[in-house]
Amino acid sequence: GAGVSQSPRYKVAKRGQDVALRCDPISGHVSLFWYQQALGQGPEFLTYFQNEAQLDKSGLPSDRFFAERPEGSVSTLKIQRTQQEDSAVYLCASSSRFRELFFGEGSRLTVL
Amino acid sequence: DQQVKQNSPSLSVQEGRISILNCDYTNSMFDYFLWYKKYPAEGPTFLISISSIKDKNEDGRFTVFLNKSAKHLSLHIVPSQPGDSAVYFCAARDQAAGNKLTFGGGTRVLVKP
Repeated sequence: GAGVSQSPRYKVAKRGQDVALRCDPISGHVSLFWYQQALGQGPEFLTYFQNEAQLDKSGLPSDRFFAERPEGSVSTLKIQRTQQEDSAVYLCASSSRFRELFFGEGSRLTVL
Repeated sequence: DQQVKQNSPSLSVQEGRISILNCDYTNSMFDYFLWYKKYPAEGPTFLISISSIKDKNEDGRFTVFLNKSAKHLSLHIVPSQPGDSAVYFCAARDQAAGNKLTFGGGTRVLVKP
């Protein structure tokens, strides 16, 4: 489709496992964002790319979180040694310059 | 420190009546504001926005009002319809600091038929 695509939609991980979440943005969108949404709360900013450059990673909660967008299109959010507090919905969004963000459906991560 | 706050976690309104959702912010550098709507198991979808140079923007049944001096914005939905039942998020951006949005905690709206 023409929207932002995220996979997997649902992921269950055992504590300590590494996970990788993928985001396929809208074609041609320069900007890509990752947000974390805990249950009952609003999305919290994690990191931002403009093309392949990671311009802001101030929201990443720890050095266990890592994001990349090597060719300026698809992005991967990696979480190492997952903890229970990492359980959340991870939302990816893309946009043209200074326009509204278009969100994917999210990847729901449950850490047991 | 929450820079964008939605103090009403939920709102119930009769079909056909007005829904008013409120949002307050603390960062005076915010200069662009947006409302998003979210259904369960879906990502947020853009609804309406307003630049800080305006005090009102209207799009069909949706109107957003901005009061810069009070650092307050509101979303009016008139008339409310059952399909409007969703969670609504207020978001703000400081364009000089990049394109990222800061979100409020959301307001769950239930429109009763």
